[in-house]
Amino acid sequence: DTGVSQDPRHKITKRGQNVTFRCDPISEHNRLYWYRQTLGQGPEFLTYFQNEAQLEKSRLLSDRFSAERPKGSFSTLEIQRTEQGDSAMYLCASTSPGQHLYEQYFGPGTRLTVT
Amino acid sequence: LAKTTQPISMDSYEGQEVNITCSHNNIATNDYITWYQQFPSQGPRFIIQGYKTKVTNEVASLFIPADRKSSTLSLPRVSLSDTAVYYCLFNNLFFGTGTRLTVIP
Repeated sequence: DTGVSQDPRHKITKRGQNVTFRCDPISEHNRLYWYRQTLGQGPEFLTYFQNEAQLEKSRLLSDRFSAERPKGSFSTLEIQRTEQGDSAMYLCASTSPGQHLYEQYFGPGTRLTVT
Repeated sequence: LAKTTQPISMDSYEGQEVNITCSHNNIATNDYITWYQQFPSQGPRFIIQGYKTKVTNEVASLFIPADRKSSTLSLPRVSLSDTAVYYCLFNNLFFGTGTRLTVIP
């Protein structure tokens, strides 16, 4: 257990539905990252926050995806009008540049299945 | 877009030293190189990080040549529990293709 938690661990939804995932980082970490990983591939960067500010978004993050980190604590990732191609593991990670530089602590992930 | 290249898979016998190399020709001057380990259905786990020359911790060593266009993760005396996928990462955002290491008894 790295101290980063994600909820839910598994989500099955029908195509067209909206889903929201939550990530709770290690409390003193000010940076939070979202990744998506499909079977057999490495994690793909989606977006990251420093405190409550969203500093970078990947081109992978279409208009149907939105992420927030109100108050710089937990973060949510919402996918609207889900498509079968959204089926993947969604990983959250946190880090504090003041500690071990770029050492990210990953949560267990949320596995999304779109039917 | 910066990219990395790693061997897709490697096999090793238990107790041997394993070296996994990652090529990163477009690494930027201020990028650090980080290696992660990932088991099935789990998030990646940090192994080691470096900028140049050699770094060693309790589980691995990382060798980075002067031109920094590649790096080599060295795992001493691997055990069956080291069977996993290993990723090199730089700039904190881009994972490599990953190397699937299988340790054979």
